[in-house]
Amino acid sequence: NAGVTQTPKFQVLKTGQSMTLQCAQDMNHNSMYWYRQDPGMGLRLIYYSASEGTTDKGEVPNGYNVSRLNKREFSLRLESAAPSQTSVYFCASGWGTGINNQPQHFGDGTRLSIL
Amino acid sequence: KQEVTQIPAALSVPEGENLVLNCSFTDSAIYNLQWFRQDPGKGLTSLLLIQSSQREQTSGRLNASLDKSSGRSTLYIAASQPGDSATYLCAVEAGTALIFGKGTTLSVSS
Repeated sequence: NAGVTQTPKFQVLKTGQSMTLQCAQDMNHNSMYWYRQDPGMGLRLIYYSASEGTTDKGEVPNGYNVSRLNKREFSLRLESAAPSQTSVYFCASGWGTGINNQPQHFGDGTRLSIL
Repeated sequence: KQEVTQIPAALSVPEGENLVLNCSFTDSAIYNLQWFRQDPGKGLTSLLLIQSSQREQTSGRLNASLDKSSGRSTLYIAASQPGDSATYLCAVEAGTALIFGKGTTLSVSS
C-alpha cells in the first residue's frame, strides 16, 4: 500500500544546476500538490494540479515548474537551482478542495540542499 | 489572506498528562480543519479532520474541536505517552489547498 511516493529522498545540487523531483500516487486521487517546508515558515504551497491536465500556482511558485504527466504522476522541476531553494519538498494528493472532505495524503519528502 | 497560528510552539510534559494544543485561523470560510502529526525526517500523517459543519472529532486518545465563529480549534491528547512525541500541525482547507500553521513540537518524557 504505497500511497504517495517521492523520489529522490535526498539530493545535493550546486547553484545553477537543474533537477526534477518525482511524485506518484496510487489512490486514484484527482488533485496533487507540491509544498515546501522551511524552518520557522511551515509548509507552503508551490504548485497544485486540481485534475489531470491542469496546473496552477500556489503561494511560492517562483523558480519552479510542474508537469502533471498523467493522473498518477506530478513532477516538480527546478530549472536553475538557487540556495534559497534549499528545503524539504513534500508531494501530496487528495480528492480536491471541498470534495469528499477526506484528508490529503503526503509523501515522505525530498530533502534538497543547494550549495 | 487566511493565516493559521499554533500556540505553543513547543511543549514538554511528563508521561500520563492530558494536554491541549491550540490552533487559530483568521477566516472562518473553510471546508474543514485537519490535524497532522509529523515525526522527525518523515512526512505528515493525518490524525483528524473536522468538517466545517462539525464541532468535534475523536480518534482513540485524541479529540479535536472546532469553533468556526471564533476561528479556533484544539487538539486534546489524553494520557500522553512518549510515543506521542512529534510535531503536530494544524491546517485549514480553503480555496485551493491546505494552509498550515507552523506546528507545535511535543515532547513527552517517561
